[in-house]
Amino acid sequence: GAVVSQHPSRVICKSGTSVKIECRSLDFQATTMFWYRQFPKQSLMLMATSNEGSKATYEQGVEKDKFLINHASLTLSTLTVTSAHPEDSSFYICSARPGTPGETQYFGPGTRLLVL
Amino acid sequence: GQNIDQPTEMTATEGAIVQINCTYQTSGFNGLFWYQQHAGEAPTFLSYNVLDGLEEKGRFSSFLSRSKGYSYLLLKELQMKDSASYLCAVMDSNYQLIWGAGTKLIIKP
Repeated sequence: GAVVSQHPSRVICKSGTSVKIECRSLDFQATTMFWYRQFPKQSLMLMATSNEGSKATYEQGVEKDKFLINHASLTLSTLTVTSAHPEDSSFYICSARPGTPGETQYFGPGTRLLVL
Repeated sequence: GQNIDQPTEMTATEGAIVQINCTYQTSGFNGLFWYQQHAGEAPTFLSYNVLDGLEEKGRFSSFLSRSKGYSYLLLKELQMKDSASYLCAVMDSNYQLIWGAGTKLIIKP
């Protein structure tokens, strides 16, 4: 149980385009979903926390107009990187938490974004 | 500020035992997590400790001392596939996960 999928797993795009990444909880309802970014050989960096049906809470330094998050249902959250630039190239990982705040997060397999 | 410390890298021999330490200073405590992350992949959950003591799960065990702000992950009978980064994360009073930088474990034959 507690499977989280992410799509696409890898994407290459041109600078200036927008990229949408989907995160789905397959066998549970995720009240809260998290979006992380990880640069090579660095730890996970939380970008934003989203609760179903409400606006995402962004971490300091993360541009909410650039990284659009939509958590439309209890099983789906999307992250759209708008007007992507080469410095946005990174490994984007989502995680989902089933219910109460003290429960663990289950991670999706990640999306590797390369902006040319 | 909030801080999680763990060694950057460790090396161990196949079949041996290794202990990865984690110390933390956070605003509140709602549990400590260990995750395994293979290169190029997302983290996978290993263990969760919220009370003091040792939690054993197969070849992996995790220990917590809340008074010392200290945890360790113990890996026994090491296998080559255990080569990965091991991330320590603490859930603070706001139920946010505070992440350590990870310990890269290298297993040698």
